[in-house]
Order: sequence, then C-alpha cells, then structure tokens
Amino acid sequence: QVQLVQSGAEVKKPGASVKVSCKASGYTFTNYYMHWVRQAPGQGLEWMGVIGPRGGSTIYAQKFQGRVTMTRDTSTSTVYMELSSLRSEDTAVYYCARKSDSGFDFWGQGTLVTVSS
Amino acid sequence: QSALTQPRSVSGSPGQSVTISCTGTSSDVGGYNYVSWYQQHPGKAPKLMIYDVSKRPSGVPDRFSGSKSGNTASLTISGLQAEDEADYYCCSYAGSDTYVFGTGTKVTVL
Repeated sequence: QVQLVQSGAEVKKPGASVKVSCKASGYTFTNYYMHWVRQAPGQGLEWMGVIGPRGGSTIYAQKFQGRVTMTRDTSTSTVYMELSSLRSEDTAVYYCARKSDSGFDFWGQGTLVTVSS
Repeated sequence: QSALTQPRSVSGSPGQSVTISCTGTSSDVGGYNYVSWYQQHPGKAPKLMIYDVSKRPSGVPDRFSGSKSGNTASLTISGLQAEDEADYYCCSYAGSDTYVFGTGTKVTVL
C-alpha cells in the first residue's frame, strides 16, 4: 500500500534552516510528482511547490522562492524540503503529498516545525 | 497567488444538504477543470474527496459531489452525517505547474 512517512518534529531558532524528509513506499517512485503543502496553526493549507521524481525539476510558489529547496533521492525513494531563514511565521505542519491524475491522492502524516527563540 | 475564497463555516442537520463555494479567478478555477476538494479532520492529514471538478475517487461516498460555474466551484454534501463534520479545502491548478488552495470551510453537523 502507498505510504508517505515524514521525519519527526523540529524546533528551530529564527534565521536557521530546517530539512524535512518524506520517504515513499508501495508504488513506483519515479512515476509521480511530489508536492509540499504547509498549514500554520489554526490556518488553511498553503501550496509550497513540487518536485519531479525523475530529473528532480522543481517549481516553487513565488512566496517561497529563494528560501525553499526541494530535492529527491531516487535510490531511497525520498524527497526533501529545506526551508531557510526561518521566522516565527514559518511555524507550521509541513506535508508531502503525491500528485496523481486524480489530485493529491496520498499525504504524509505531517511534520511540525516550530520556530522559536 | 491569492488563496481561493471559501465561506468560513457552513452547518446543517443530519440528513440535510450543504454546499460549499470556492471562488477564484479566470487564472485558476475559471481557467481549468482541475479543481479538487479535501476533507481534513482535526490533527489529521487532508483526504482527497473530489478531483477534476466532479470526479470521486473510489471509496468516497456518492453523497459528495462537485461542480463548477465560471470562476466558482462548489462541493455539495447530501444526506449530511456526523462523520462529515470537518474542514474542507478546495484546490485549483493555477497554470505553470502551480496550485492554489482555498481558505477552508468548517462544516458543522448540528
């Protein structure tokens, strides 16, 4: 069965960087694009960007360009999302989500990133 | 890219129908038939309920239906049940391989 398992919660200081991982299993990793979506406490979902699994091409939401980097390791079927220059407003749950022809059909369990001094 | 506009909350009694609107622009909702809807219970990851405006993934009850007119998409829940109480988000393709989510709607079953 399809599973997306994300890394654990992180606490970071303002100005630092965080790298969240998402390990995929149960399907052919190179056949699907992976997206990242975040949700601040009590707020809505926010699309951050996407990475192609074969060539690693990326598209980022304008809001995060220059601060976010998405990468992937096909040997371990894992995608990564690194966000730099963290500020308190980046405190959120970060999700990876597989994109199929049917939409975002599988989601990771979410990773809470807390930015606090 | 601005978030799509949804009502903050809607409510209904068990068995009734509720409809959630999702208003965007001609650059997203109105420009593509790639609107999807997600259900999110507290503390859980979102779940896909509708894709391509009106298609249901296998396993999603047929009480859930979607439609679109111009720049506004809608999700209707018929025969409301207690387990339908959750937050709902629309999402639209916005061109150039980008996506935008709605502001979210809390559905309350009275």
